[in-house]
Amino acid sequence: NAGVTQTPKFQVLKTGQSMTLQCAQDMNHEYMSWYRQDPGMGLRLIHYSVGAGITDQGEVPNGYNVSRSTTEDFPLRLLSAAPSQTSVYFCASSLVPSPPSETQYFGPGTRLLVL
Amino acid sequence: SQQGEEDPQALSIQEGENATMNCSYKTSINNLQWYRQNSGRGLVHLILIRSNEREKHSGRLRVTLDTSKKSSSLLITASRAADTASYFCAYLQGGSEKLVFGKGTKLTVNP
Repeated sequence: NAGVTQTPKFQVLKTGQSMTLQCAQDMNHEYMSWYRQDPGMGLRLIHYSVGAGITDQGEVPNGYNVSRSTTEDFPLRLLSAAPSQTSVYFCASSLVPSPPSETQYFGPGTRLLVL
Repeated sequence: SQQGEEDPQALSIQEGENATMNCSYKTSINNLQWYRQNSGRGLVHLILIRSNEREKHSGRLRVTLDTSKKSSSLLITASRAADTASYFCAYLQGGSEKLVFGKGTKLTVNP
């Protein structure tokens, strides 16, 4: 199994550009989520999904869209990039979210720089 | 914000010493997890303790949970240079499907 994969590894955007961060898992996990990690802030939940066709907002959803058309894929879309979205983005998955919550498997991350 | 808080934010010790990190949270939980992150990498699951457990061991790791104080601690015994990393606690907000992470403790183990 490849586990959780993320592409690209690094991206530079200009303010106002849009892009999609890709996340895929091959473990047949129902639960997938996106986090952003900023210095001193830990990980903050952006969006999550408990299964195909179901998504919900996390702590910091503004400026991001998600969809879950298949169990395997959970792309994160930046609609109009802003410098405040410069961050490291992690995708994670688990068999089920709760209860009790299962181990989360993380991807390697995408470093995004918005100029 | 419902983010948990780790304490201390940074910890520097010598190889062979024990390292203790604490996590405080704000909501009721079903269980609490600890993760490790090496610099520039994704997070890796270390251990999960359920809300009806008070202490759990895994190798050199010992986790305690005090639900009355809404706190947990992670003890790494006989630390090694390879333990140098950031450590995060994570928990589900009570009654929700949102997994929340603390801000992390950066541990440096000096050889």
